[in-house]
Amino acid sequence: KNEVEQSPQNLTAQEGEFITINCSYSVGISALHWLQQHPGGGIVSLFMLSSGKKKHGRLIATINIQEKHSSLHITASHPRDSAVYICAVRYWDSGGSNYKLTFGKGTLLTVNP
Amino acid sequence: NAGVTQTPKFRVLKTGQSMTLLCAQDMNHEYMYWYRQDPGMGLRLIHYSVGEGTTAKGEVPDGYNVSRLKKQNFLLGLESAAPSQTSVYFCASRSTGGGGNSPLHFGNGTRLTVT
Repeated sequence: KNEVEQSPQNLTAQEGEFITINCSYSVGISALHWLQQHPGGGIVSLFMLSSGKKKHGRLIATINIQEKHSSLHITASHPRDSAVYICAVRYWDSGGSNYKLTFGKGTLLTVNP
Repeated sequence: NAGVTQTPKFRVLKTGQSMTLLCAQDMNHEYMYWYRQDPGMGLRLIHYSVGEGTTAKGEVPDGYNVSRLKKQNFLLGLESAAPSQTSVYFCASRSTGGGGNSPLHFGNGTRLTVT
């Protein structure tokens, strides 16, 4: 089973600050997802990446396959960025002979004005 | 496009009652999933389907049944609800494109309370 660890669990920032959320996993993967969940709301896919770096607006996601680690960065954070950010990894489960998706517990980000 | 639509949004059941959660997607996706989200835990897979007429067990299938009679709909049933099934349920779908690494599309969730 792939263990997915996110850090920090909770993060409070002031508007404008640069935010970093980390995700580590234990088994080699085929892809990693970053998801966003607003309080009481649905879940939105932000990024899916298998190597390198992706950027969308103020959000940047990077992945280091060798170190089994990914980071989600938010530049110039804003109160509307307040949400839970979830990392999920897709990997081949040889025991079950299929792909599996394991989710982290999430990082609660609060951005104060 | 509506994307992934879940009904109902909220439900309160008494122990032993039954209910069905409906998930509908209009993106012609092959794969559909039911997850539950509990405090302090990551999303966990209940059941999934790789196409119309097929279903398979996920990580936590006990106490649930599913059906995929039409490609666009994936139903999750609780035959005899238990308090341990109090949770937020999410449906998700994805296409078969991207070499298996296509993005997930989630519904807005169903908050179920079993008393």
